[in-house]
This record gives sequence, C-alpha cells and structure tokens, in this order.
Amino acid sequence: AQSVTQLGSHVSVSEGALVLLRCNYSSSVPPYLFWYVQYPNQGLQLLLKYTTGATLVKGINGFEAEFKKSETSFHLTKPSAHMSDAAEYFCAVSGGMDSSYKLIFGSGTRLLVRP
Amino acid sequence: ETGVTQTPRHLVMGMTNKKSLKCEQHLGHNAMYWYKQSAKKPLELMFVYNFKEQTENNSVPSRFSPECPNSSHLFLHLHTLQPEDSALYLCASSQDRNHEQYFGPGTRLTVT
Repeated sequence: AQSVTQLGSHVSVSEGALVLLRCNYSSSVPPYLFWYVQYPNQGLQLLLKYTTGATLVKGINGFEAEFKKSETSFHLTKPSAHMSDAAEYFCAVSGGMDSSYKLIFGSGTRLLVRP
Repeated sequence: ETGVTQTPRHLVMGMTNKKSLKCEQHLGHNAMYWYKQSAKKPLELMFVYNFKEQTENNSVPSRFSPECPNSSHLFLHLHTLQPEDSALYLCASSQDRNHEQYFGPGTRLTVT
C-alpha cells in the first residue's frame, strides 16, 4: 500500500525566496512520484514526475524535486518564487509497475507568495 | 479542443434531480478516472476505467453511476444526491497505468 504525507498545509514565502514544499511517502514497491499544481477554479496540472533513473527531476515553471529513497522523500523546490506560483500543490505516489492505476494524493500544500 | 475537457463547469441541482457530468479526452489515452475534491479533504478516487471497462469502484454510493461508452468519453450520472456531495468533480486520463494522469478543469457541483 502507498501513502503520502505533505508537511504543512500552508507555506508562505516572499517573492524571490526559495520555495520548499515537503513530501514524504510510504510504498511497499518502488514508487512512481508526482507533483501537481492546482490554480483556483482549475484542474490539476502535472509539474514533474519521477519513475526511474536520475533522482533529481526538473519540471515546468522552474520547479524541481529530488527522490531520496533513504529518506522516503520527494520534496519540491524552486530557487526563486514568483507571484504566479501561488497555488495549491499536491504530491502523489503510485505503485510503479505494480500500480493498479491508483494515484494516492497528499492533502495538499497551499503556497502563498508575499510581494 | 485539446487535453481533457469537462462539462458543465458549474452545476447546481436539487436533491431530487438527475443530472450528468461529461468528460472527454483528446489525448488518445486508454484509462479514465473520476475524482472527488472536497474542501479540506484529500483528493478521492471514485472510479477507474481502462479500455472502457471499469477496473475500480472505490466504495462510491450508488447515487453516482459512471458510464464509459468508449475510451474518449466518460460520464458520471447523478441522482438523489445529498448536500455533502457538493464538491469539485475532476476527470483525468492516462496512457496506461505506468503514466501520469492528465486532469480536466473540473465540474463544481452544488447540491441544494
């Protein structure tokens, strides 16, 4: 079984500051890991994904995440926050090749960007 | 149209009404999903279809009835809903189980 924990339901940063959104997962099989972003009144948009290979993955809008197996983490970072980054971010895990099509989502972290 | 589309975007219905939500994907994917997103709750998977066959029903009440006539279209038929069913209903699709899911914009449902 898989599960996801996102630490912090709200994160507030100043424009230009580092963004760090935390995600820890639990999986009994090698996981596939995803970060999605949701802007108000919209669906979820894929930011980046990790399946196999390089543990540092780069996504859209300058975001990246690093898969750390020893820490069971997949934290999302961006060096410099923009006002347009304000949104809700969801980490998700699936069971990789053993997946039954099921993505397990975290509860989400709302990112606030202060001018 | 590109990606995943959903109609209507907003729906208000009484508890005795019958309505349907529609989802269409233009990505050539084989799997489609319905999710429920309520305030302050994690995203809940409701149904999964693969090649038009339902592969998962996540203990969803029978007042929600899905239909998948082909790999591009997915419907969610609603009847005798409760106020607690008010939520954002999201449709998604994926190439197969090893690929990421692409989401539509959702239907905001309010049950009065």
